[in-house]
Amino acid sequence: AAGVIQSPRHLIKEKRETATLKCYPIPRHDTVYWYQQGPGQDPQFLISFYEKMQSDKGSIPDRFSAQQFSDYHSELNMSSLELGDSALYFCASSLYRSTEAFFGQGTRLTVV
Amino acid sequence: LAKTTQPISMDSYEGQEVNITCSHNNIATNDYITWYQQFPSQGPRFIIQGYKTKVTNEVASLFIPADRKSSTLSLPRVSLSDTAVYYCLVGRHSQTGANNLFFGTGTRLTVIP
Repeated sequence: AAGVIQSPRHLIKEKRETATLKCYPIPRHDTVYWYQQGPGQDPQFLISFYEKMQSDKGSIPDRFSAQQFSDYHSELNMSSLELGDSALYFCASSLYRSTEAFFGQGTRLTVV
Repeated sequence: LAKTTQPISMDSYEGQEVNITCSHNNIATNDYITWYQQFPSQGPRFIIQGYKTKVTNEVASLFIPADRKSSTLSLPRVSLSDTAVYYCLVGRHSQTGANNLFFGTGTRLTVIP
């Protein structure tokens, strides 16, 4: 069965650079969530989208932005990267009103 | 948003039943209780969801008392591969968009041979 696809799987950036993470949800899933998980930490909710509109916003820095496109894929744009942005970034998708979310394999971002 | 409290860690021997309790004293009427499992460097995986009483699937059971202020995830006969972090989430099915899927501090379960 198709799963949530995230790309790239690994990314190395320098401080102050920009990064774009992509997420392709499971077909027919209309809701996308983004999470950040630092080493040894719990997943922190960043932002969610439903039907291409922002739904909820968590602890997402102002340097980050995200959107969901007409084909339901989503992108997380991160600018002015800091060392503390190094983390695993997970995307998840679900059907409308379902709390059963399916997570991707994550993108490991390393800022040097 | 209902705050959840779980034990930080638990140890269990293989083959035993493990019960992880989550407290959510300010759960709202429309809130559901959902449990996720996470292995290192992998995304969380949905285990089970319930609203009240008992729910069972092929992996686990979820017990919710009448007041719904707590819930217990029960894993029967755990194996080494059940070593993971378990998260209890409380949130409602949104009427207008994505649901609230906020992860608190999970329970690190270690299964011992």
